[in-house]
Amino acid sequence: QKEVEQNSGPLSVPEGAIASLNCTYSDRVSQSFFWYRQYSGKSPELIMSIYSNGDKEDGRFTAQLNKASQYVSLLIRDSQPSDSATYLCAVNLNTGGFKTIFGAGTRLFVKA
Amino acid sequence: KAGVTQTPRYLIKTRGQQVTLSCSPISGHRSVSWYQQTPGQGLQFLFEYFSETQRNKGNFPGRFSGRQFSNSRSEMNVSTLELGDSALYLCASSYDRVLQYEQYFGPGTRLTVT
Repeated sequence: QKEVEQNSGPLSVPEGAIASLNCTYSDRVSQSFFWYRQYSGKSPELIMSIYSNGDKEDGRFTAQLNKASQYVSLLIRDSQPSDSATYLCAVNLNTGGFKTIFGAGTRLFVKA
Repeated sequence: KAGVTQTPRYLIKTRGQQVTLSCSPISGHRSVSWYQQTPGQGLQFLFEYFSETQRNKGNFPGRFSGRQFSNSRSEMNVSTLELGDSALYLCASSYDRVLQYEQYFGPGTRLTVT
């Protein structure tokens, strides 16, 4: 079982819709969770971090964490064509310091 | 505040050679991590340095090594290059304080091994 799993997509949504991206992880004691956006040919850009169960909202983005289910999600409201990118889920393993494992990423297409 | 910088941005090497990549973290960030990104394997963790010490290491052969200097700048070295080492090498830095574990990536170094 991969340590961090994401649906590779592509996920296609119309402009203005809500895009829902999901991620599961296997290390039960993981403490830190992140979502990155990566445009083609660019490096990953941090969108959201979440450390405790529940929802965290930042603008059009909402991250949700359920540690009991080992599940993290990212909702993008009012999706725009500029949101079309690969979204990477990242989990920092509890090893002391950083050992961050990334999912393979979900490709999102927002159709105008 | 300046972001993470990496040099060089592009590099072409021949199989068997060695290469050194450099990373300057965001000012004040103490942790520097290195990643390899390829189309087939995705983003894979190489190692992490904090206060000049390697704290964590991924599952890469010993040909991949790194170090961190007292100013938090970091270098990674790959010896005896193989064709499969062609990849985008990314560096990320973080404050590594309680609830400030966000990592910020540099633009990467694109390494091509021929």
